[in-house]
Amino acid sequence: EVQLVESGGGLVKPGGSLRLSCAASGFTFSSYSMNWVRQAPGKGLEWVSSISSSSSYIYYADSVKGRFTISRDNAKNSLYLQMNSLRAEDTAVYYCAKGVGAPISGIYYFDYWGQGTLVTVSS
Amino acid sequence: SYELTQPPSVSVSPGQTARITCSGDALPKQYAYWYQQKPGQAPVLVIYKDSERPSGIPERFSGSSSGTTVTLTISGVQAEDEADYYCQSADSSGTLPVVFGGGTKLTVL
Repeated sequence: EVQLVESGGGLVKPGGSLRLSCAASGFTFSSYSMNWVRQAPGKGLEWVSSISSSSSYIYYADSVKGRFTISRDNAKNSLYLQMNSLRAEDTAVYYCAKGVGAPISGIYYFDYWGQGTLVTVSS
Repeated sequence: SYELTQPPSVSVSPGQTARITCSGDALPKQYAYWYQQKPGQAPVLVIYKDSERPSGIPERFSGSSSGTTVTLTISGVQAEDEADYYCQSADSSGTLPVVFGGGTKLTVL
């Protein structure tokens, strides 16, 4: 059974940093692209970042480019999101999602999602 | 930036057919995907590659594509189908691998 478990969320002040983790199990983690998607309270889904299976290709939404860094450790079956210079508008539930296909390949979507971790940016 | 446009809300009575549209200029060239999200839960994939249904998704869920619009159709809507639905695709330039529509709230009257 595929499981994705996010952790690391919490309350942080504007300008602060936070590192999210996603522990994956139930599939060959090193074979799949992985992703972060967020959802602000009462709002829709917003794609944040994607990383290819070998970390060769990385993509970011314009809203987080230069502030967030996605990474993975295939030996630990883990995905990470380092978030710096956090703003109030970064407040959201952050979901880890398993990708199918490869970004920019013409076929790319998410077949499994974690339950999310809440990040609140407030003074 | 590239956008996918969905109606904010759709309402249907139980047993009727619900159609949720998603419009975007790149949809003739890019596949669309649909997710269902119930309150307090993570999204669930219900349609991939415009019209394919993942295993475990009821047959009443179907997808279609025509030009710059894709449509999620739910036939014989049930109360349990009340949820938010999001389309997802990519832009055609190759720079934006993932774009979500704004979401549609399906209300079962």
